[in-house]
Amino acid sequence: GAGVSQSPSNKVTEKGKDVELRCDPISGHTALYWYRQSLGQGLEFLIYFQGNSAPDKSGLPSDRFSAERTGGSVSTLTIQRTQQEDSAVYLCASSPQTGGAGQPQHFGDGTRLSIL
Amino acid sequence: RKEVEQDPGPFNVPEGATVAFNCTYSNSASQSFFWYRQDCRKEPKLLMSVYSSGNEDGRFTAQLNRASQYISLLIRDSKLSDSATYLCVVTGNNDMRFGAGTRLTVKP
Repeated sequence: GAGVSQSPSNKVTEKGKDVELRCDPISGHTALYWYRQSLGQGLEFLIYFQGNSAPDKSGLPSDRFSAERTGGSVSTLTIQRTQQEDSAVYLCASSPQTGGAGQPQHFGDGTRLSIL
Repeated sequence: RKEVEQDPGPFNVPEGATVAFNCTYSNSASQSFFWYRQDCRKEPKLLMSVYSSGNEDGRFTAQLNRASQYISLLIRDSKLSDSATYLCVVTGNNDMRFGAGTRLTVKP
C-alpha cells in the first residue's frame, strides 16, 4: 500500500526565500510528525499533530517555522525567510495513534532542503 | 536535559563482535519503547519494539529497565550489514521522542 509521501524530494533555494514542504500521511493515520535532520545529526523533533487536538509546536526552532494539517490529512511545513542553517533533510512520519498502543511511526523519504 | 539521551558513538567493532547500546529517558510516564535503525542518508526504519520482560529477535536483544529509566540493545555476532545509526525511541500519551542515535560501524 501507499506509504508516507513527501514532496518535493529535493529543494534548493536562495537565502531569504520562503519554502513549503508537503507531507501526505498514510490514509487513516491520525498522528503526524515533522522532524529535521542536519548532516551527521540525529532527528530533531519539530511539530506533532494528533487528530483534531492542538498541535505540539514545542520543537519549532523559531517563529519562521510553521505547519498546518488540513482536514486531518495532508500537512504543510512552511519556512519563511530561509537561512543557511535551515539546510537539512525534513522528515515526516505518521502513525495510527500514539500513547498507550505505542504505534511505531512510518517515515517518508524526506525533503532535502538546501539554502544557498 | 534532553528527553532521550544516547551515546553518539561511534562504535567501531570487528565482524562477529557483540556490541551494546544504552539509552536513557527522562519521562517516567513513558509507555512504549522502540529501537529504530537508520542507514546513511535514509529514513529511520523500525528495528524492534522493547517489552518490559525483554525480547529477542535473532541476533538482537532489547531490554527495558523502568526503575532506572533506560533501555538497551544488544547485537550479537555483528555483521557488516549492521553498520548504521541506531535510534532509541520513547513514547508517552501524546508524543514520541527520538534519541540522537548511536553510530555503529562493523569492520571486516
